[in-house]
Amino acid sequence: DTGVSQNPRHKITKRGQNVTFRCDPISEHNRLYWYRQTLGQGPEFLTYFQNEAQLEKSRLLSDRFSAERPKGSFSTLEIQRTEQGDSAMYLCASSSPYSNQPQHFGDGTRLSIL
Amino acid sequence: KNEVEQSPQNLTAQEGEFITINCSYSVGISALHWLQQHPGGGIVSLFMLSSGKKKHGRLIATINIQEKHSSLHITASHPRDSAVYICAATAPMNRDDKIIFGKGTRLHILP
Repeated sequence: DTGVSQNPRHKITKRGQNVTFRCDPISEHNRLYWYRQTLGQGPEFLTYFQNEAQLEKSRLLSDRFSAERPKGSFSTLEIQRTEQGDSAMYLCASSSPYSNQPQHFGDGTRLSIL
Repeated sequence: KNEVEQSPQNLTAQEGEFITINCSYSVGISALHWLQQHPGGGIVSLFMLSSGKKKHGRLIATINIQEKHSSLHITASHPRDSAVYICAATAPMNRDDKIIFGKGTRLHILP
C-alpha cells in the first residue's frame, strides 16, 4: 500500500516566485482533494477533482492558484507570484469512487515564503 | 462561528490518564471523522462514524446525532499519543464529500 504521496515535503522560496506541488493519490482512488492548513488551524478545502475534472474550487483559491489533474491520476497545484500569506501546509487527500468513504491524506508540502 | 468546534484546544496530561476530546458541530452531517496529525504534518484517519460508537485499540469514538456531539477517548494514554487530534464533518447531500475541519486539539502526554 503506497498511500498518498506528496512532493516536495518542504519548499522554501522567495516572495514573487512560482511554486508547483505534486500529489500522487492511491491508484484506485478517483477523487482527489487539496487542502491548505495554516499554523494553529485545521485544514481548509481548496479544490476537488473527480478523475480529471475539477468539480469544485474554494474562494480561497485565488487566480494565482491553479490545480490540474490531466490524466486523472496525479495532480499538481501551482501558485504563481507567491505572497507571504501563502505560507502554509498544503495537503492532498484521495478517496475511492463511492460516496462517503474516508479520505486518505498525504504527508503534505510545507511552503515557506521568505 | 466555525461549523465544527473542538474542545479543549490544548490538553496536557500524565501518562496513563484517560483522555477525552470533544467535538460539536452545527451542520447536518453524513459522517464524522477523527483524524490524528503528528508534528511532521501527515494526517491519519482514526475513525469515520455516523452513529453509535467505534473502538480501535485504546481509542474510542462516540457520536450523538441528536445532540450533534462527538467525543474521542484515549485510555491508558502514552507519550506516543501526543499529537493534534482533528474532528471533521462531511455534510450530507454533498456530492464531493468535502470535509469541514475543526481547528484541532493539541494533546501532550507527559511521561
